[in-house]
Amino acid sequence: DADVTQTPRNRITKTGKRIMLECSQTKGHDRMYWYRQDPGLGLRLIYYSFDVKDINKGEISDGYSVSRQAQAKFSLSLESAIPNQTALYFCATSEVNTGELFFGEGSRLTVL
Amino acid sequence: AQTVTQSQPEMSVQEAETVTLSCTYDTSENNYYLFWYKQPPSRQMILVIRQEAYKQQNATENRFSVNFQKAAKSFSLKISDSQLGDTAMYFCAFFSIQGAQKLVFGQGTRLTI
Repeated sequence: DADVTQTPRNRITKTGKRIMLECSQTKGHDRMYWYRQDPGLGLRLIYYSFDVKDINKGEISDGYSVSRQAQAKFSLSLESAIPNQTALYFCATSEVNTGELFFGEGSRLTVL
Repeated sequence: AQTVTQSQPEMSVQEAETVTLSCTYDTSENNYYLFWYKQPPSRQMILVIRQEAYKQQNATENRFSVNFQKAAKSFSLKISDSQLGDTAMYFCAFFSIQGAQKLVFGQGTRLTI
């Protein structure tokens, strides 16, 4: 089983719908991240959490919210999806101070 | 804020050739880590190599090596004896130890073997 698991792997939805992407990890890391990947833009940070009580906005947090339900779980929500949120979303974890990220398999979201 | 720039959107080489992917970054900090990640068509993100800024010696991992030029803020990846399995997107990334401790990625280079 993967150390970092994302669900769903693929999702097609319509404009205005609420969507939740879920992430769970078995690595025991305190730090968790949500990134978005778009062609030509690389990976951009949406939100990150250094522990259960710590949530921080990344560079592109508008239109997104997150919840850190436990050390192992970090979910990303789109309250009202719009087409330009169509992208590949990655959850990742890391140990403190190492910088090395361990990624989930990605969730491809299409908003029609 | 730190920025990472990969100026080659796409590259293509033949099997067994050597290829170098470029990466530059901008920072005022002295202590940081640099990474290269690989994303094959499976879309999985795989760590290729890591370099600590305080180390003068360039990191190597089998066929993969880096040319780290701290003063020039350059961090290129060299792939020797290219193989079909090296076909992927390659992302350069910067991690600030002293600052916000977030990994910042470049735009990526699509490499086709």
